[in-house]
Amino acid sequence: RKEVEQDPGPFNVPEGATVAFNCTYSNSASQSFFWYRQDCRKEPKLLMSVYSSGNEDGRFTAQLNRASQYISLLIRDSKLSDSATYLCGNAGNMLTFGGGTRLMVKP
Amino acid sequence: DVKVTQSSRYLVKRTGEKVFLECVQDMDHENMFWYRQDPGLGLRLIYFSYDVKMKEKGDIPEGYSVSREKKERFSLILESASTNQTSMYLCASSGTIAGAYNEQFFGPGTRLTVL
Repeated sequence: RKEVEQDPGPFNVPEGATVAFNCTYSNSASQSFFWYRQDCRKEPKLLMSVYSSGNEDGRFTAQLNRASQYISLLIRDSKLSDSATYLCGNAGNMLTFGGGTRLMVKP
Repeated sequence: DVKVTQSSRYLVKRTGEKVFLECVQDMDHENMFWYRQDPGLGLRLIYFSYDVKMKEKGDIPEGYSVSREKKERFSLILESASTNQTSMYLCASSGTIAGAYNEQFFGPGTRLTVL
């Protein structure tokens, strides 16, 4: 089993929709988690850090469920510019990334 | 603003050539990383370094070596480039909080093509 797993998608949603994706992790000792956004042919950029139960930044909300060992990313009121690949990572003695979930927001 | 820079955005080399990829960070981070990213395979860790002159193998170190002579600089070396090393190479750096790696900041990437 991979240490961090994500549904690769793509998730195709209309503008204005709410979309959520999950990321499961196997290392129960992981202390901190991160969501990155990666545009095509660009580097990943940090979207949000999650150190406790969750974090919210505008339209983006990350939730951590330690009992079930997953983190989720919720995007409300999707914009065309939200189209990207979203990577999750968890940090313990090493930062490990999932394979990414591709989101496509359509007009 | 945090900054990680990589020496080249695009590079074309021939099979058998020695290739140097350089990465510089200005955040005084202890940790630096080299990844390669291929379609469908995600980010794969090649090597990382947690201090000057220290290095650790990642998941796919074969065919690569690294050098960290100064805190801000981490080099990836392909001793004899092969076509299966054609990829996007990403450098990252991070600090450490309470013994755990903090979020990583990535450079813009080097798209290497080996002919």
